Amino acid sequence: AQSVAQPEDQVNVAEGNPLTVKCTYSVSGNPYLFWYVQYPNRGLQFLLKYITGDNLVKGSYGFEAEFNKSQTSFHLKKPSALVSDSALYFCAVRIRGDDKIIFGKGTRLHILP
Amino acid sequence: NAGVTQTPKFQVLKTGQSMTLQCAQDMNHEYMSWYRQDPGMGLRLIHYSVGAGITDQGEVPNGYNVSRSTTEDFPLRLLSAAPSQTSVYFCASSYVPGESYGYTFGSGTRLTVV
Repeated sequence: AQSVAQPEDQVNVAEGNPLTVKCTYSVSGNPYLFWYVQYPNRGLQFLLKYITGDNLVKGSYGFEAEFNKSQTSFHLKKPSALVSDSALYFCAVRIRGDDKIIFGKGTRLHILP
Repeated sequence: NAGVTQTPKFQVLKTGQSMTLQCAQDMNHEYMSWYRQDPGMGLRLIHYSVGAGITDQGEVPNGYNVSRSTTEDFPLRLLSAAPSQTSVYFCASSYVPGESYGYTFGSGTRLTVV
């Protein structure tokens, strides 16, 4: 069965510092990988995706993610955090040929002024 | 505005009552799904559909029914509400399975069962 793990419930980062939100996955085939962000009382918004090719994927709002096949990880990164980046972040995986997208439990990101 | 529309935004039910959460999309997406979001549990897939007339179960289908009579609509029915179904429910849609697109999410329905 496919699964996604986000090992940190919460990440605190000072504004201007680089941030990393971790995600690892366990699948039996080749995955599509996604990051979504959720602001308070809102639905999830798509940030970026990995399909194939370059392991470094760039997305919305200056975020990027690095796919590492050997470590089965897809960590979300940003070089310089903004207070407005504070939100709940979800990693998700979809197996090629399967119909389901499975989400991690989410990581709450706090950017401290 | 194009997107996924969920109604109602808030609902309070008594235990044992039934209701239908509505979801509609105007993007001609074949793939639609329902998730519930609970603290510490993330999003868990309830049911999904790959096209009109086709539905399947996700991770937590018990107590919920779905149908897909049109491409646009994917209602979620609670047959006999229980307090354990108190949650925030999200509907999401995307292009056909096998495509590399992510989801478009609705704004959610916050359901409380008392």
